Amino acid sequence: QQQVKQSPQSLIVQKGGISIINCAYENTAFDYFPWYQQFPGKGPALLIAIRPDVSEKKEGRFTISFNKSAKQFSLHIMDSQPGDSATYFCAALLKNTGNQFYFGTGTSLTVIP
Amino acid sequence: DTEVTQTPKHLVMGMTNKKSLKCEQHMGHRAMYWYKQKAKKPPELMFVYSYEKLSINESVPSRFSPECPNSSLLNLHLHALQPEDSALYLCASSQGTQSGTEAFFGQGTRLTVV
Repeated sequence: QQQVKQSPQSLIVQKGGISIINCAYENTAFDYFPWYQQFPGKGPALLIAIRPDVSEKKEGRFTISFNKSAKQFSLHIMDSQPGDSATYFCAALLKNTGNQFYFGTGTSLTVIP
Repeated sequence: DTEVTQTPKHLVMGMTNKKSLKCEQHMGHRAMYWYKQKAKKPPELMFVYSYEKLSINESVPSRFSPECPNSSLLNLHLHALQPEDSALYLCASSQGTQSGTEAFFGQGTRLTVV
């Protein structure tokens, strides 16, 4: 059973546009939600993360919006650039474990110049 | 230093070979992980070491054998692999002692079994 559901599977956005990727979870024992960016042939790199007591976190062009009651969170990439073209994974960490991460299925983002 | 170093970067091995993948981190992290990733899929957890003890083994076949010699090193010993084991093998580490700690990934070893 997929613990973290991610959509869309792929996304094509014009340069300068906003990319939005959504994730949803059921297990209320998750208490930390990171997003990872992965380029082909490379390991995932942490992009931004949020805890459920915060509704929004922004770092540069990347924003996480978190809706605790709906058990959903999303990544917004503002002013998308061709260099942002990569696969993005949301993830969730089980509370009090510190080490049980569950990944979404991934979104392949292509930013067209 | 937020780096997790994996060697080798690429590995081609026959089905009768024995090889090892290595991972090193110097961030003082106490949890280390092995993940397997197939193309266009998310990383799949294989093993978790917490304080140098194996804490999670996600029903991985015995042809994969993890080892944590000390708090900075993690190995994955490979023996009698199958072609379907070809994948990107990722090592990661995290503080592991509390929630709200991110996992840092290495660049992976691209393994091809022939």
